[in-house]
Amino acid sequence: DVKVTQSSRYLVKRTGEKVFLECVQDMDHENMFWYRQDPGLGLRLIYFSYDVKMKEKGDIPEGYSVSREKKERFSLILESASTNQTSMYLCASSREGPPFYNEQFFGPGTRLTVL
Amino acid sequence: SQQGEEDPQALSIQEGENATMNCSYKTSINNLQWYRQNSGRGLVHLILIRSNEREKHSGRLRVTLDTSKKSSSLLITASRAADTASYFCATGTDSWGKFQFGAGTQVVVTP
Repeated sequence: DVKVTQSSRYLVKRTGEKVFLECVQDMDHENMFWYRQDPGLGLRLIYFSYDVKMKEKGDIPEGYSVSREKKERFSLILESASTNQTSMYLCASSREGPPFYNEQFFGPGTRLTVL
Repeated sequence: SQQGEEDPQALSIQEGENATMNCSYKTSINNLQWYRQNSGRGLVHLILIRSNEREKHSGRLRVTLDTSKKSSSLLITASRAADTASYFCATGTDSWGKFQFGAGTQVVVTP
């Protein structure tokens, strides 16, 4: 059974803290994605990676960075958390190729609250 | 703004009824995907329909695509309480960056 796992389901952090969200997939997928989901806005792409050590900005990269040192792992980093980064964060992976071409497999999400 | 926009925003039906939701988009696409999200969980892929296809079925799901109207519809037949979820369309073009999700339709199926 294919799987995308995320390190935490719920996370509470304070303003200014550095926050790490981890995502691991076991499908040997080339592509990995980080989205945030807010009510009424759907999913918005933060960053994606199409290979190890490769990363591309999505629609809303400001305030975030990512790391992909191994194929199966994609980390999202909030350098200095702010209250407007309170959101649901979803990780996804897919086979190689443009994201429109293949289905994406999602993790269960991390609900981050920044106080 | 999102490339895909779902309509209606919310839908409430009884078990056994059909549920139809629509997705409209603005620019030409290569394909369109539908996803389901149960409350507070990750998304699950339902169907991918390519721009040269007009209709696709998967179990109780039927998806149509009308590229001339830039719209797609998702029909769930004989709905069940377990179909209660949010449904999202996602559209993609040739460009890596142009894959976007809509805001979703929230469907509630009551027993």
